[in-house]
Amino acid sequence: DAGVIQSPRHEVTEMGQEVTLRCKPISGHNSLFWYRQTMMRGLELLIYFNNNVPIDDSGMPEDRFSAKMPNASFSTLKIQPSEPRDSAVYFCASGFIYNEQFFGPGTRLTVL
Amino acid sequence: DQQVKQNSPSLSVQEGRISILNCDYTNSMFDYFLWYKKYPAEGPTFLISISSIKDKNEDGRFTVFLNKSAKHLSLHIVPSQPGDSAVYFCAASEGSQGNLIFGKGTKLSVKP
Repeated sequence: DAGVIQSPRHEVTEMGQEVTLRCKPISGHNSLFWYRQTMMRGLELLIYFNNNVPIDDSGMPEDRFSAKMPNASFSTLKIQPSEPRDSAVYFCASGFIYNEQFFGPGTRLTVL
Repeated sequence: DQQVKQNSPSLSVQEGRISILNCDYTNSMFDYFLWYKKYPAEGPTFLISISSIKDKNEDGRFTVFLNKSAKHLSLHIVPSQPGDSAVYFCAASEGSQGNLIFGKGTKLSVKP
């Protein structure tokens, strides 16, 4: 079975550009989570969805960040405009609420 | 303020010996705890979990212990193998919430 799929695996962009990260969760899972990992802050939750509905977006740093889940098999995390401090590894995870989550391989974002 | 703390950034152990990774938490409402293992350039992978109604859970070489009064949990790996070398994250969740709160991780090195 395929695990969580994320694309792209690496993204290098210039400050001010729009960045879109993509995630395909494991089929059958009803929850999807977006995390960001940095050296300073570790692994922090940005937003999570349950049955395609955003439940908690309190971790989204600011209005430049937005996330959507138009259907059960696809989600996007968009940063517009991007800034150098957004450079991090972004993980998508899927699972069921109150149970373990399964992580994708991550997208390493570098904003120059 | 960190709700889940892993105070040892790194740990080095000889192959065949026991590895003990520690985690402290501050939120007494946490009722589900997990350990994840992460290799470089990969997403975290679920290792083992424990509910707050238990004080021990074992899975092969991995055992997690929970001390609710001390708000402390630990992961024991016996015997340690070089393939166990990775970053280990402790995570916790509260029953009414769907998200996980992660510690900053402990890098385990198992030397042959």
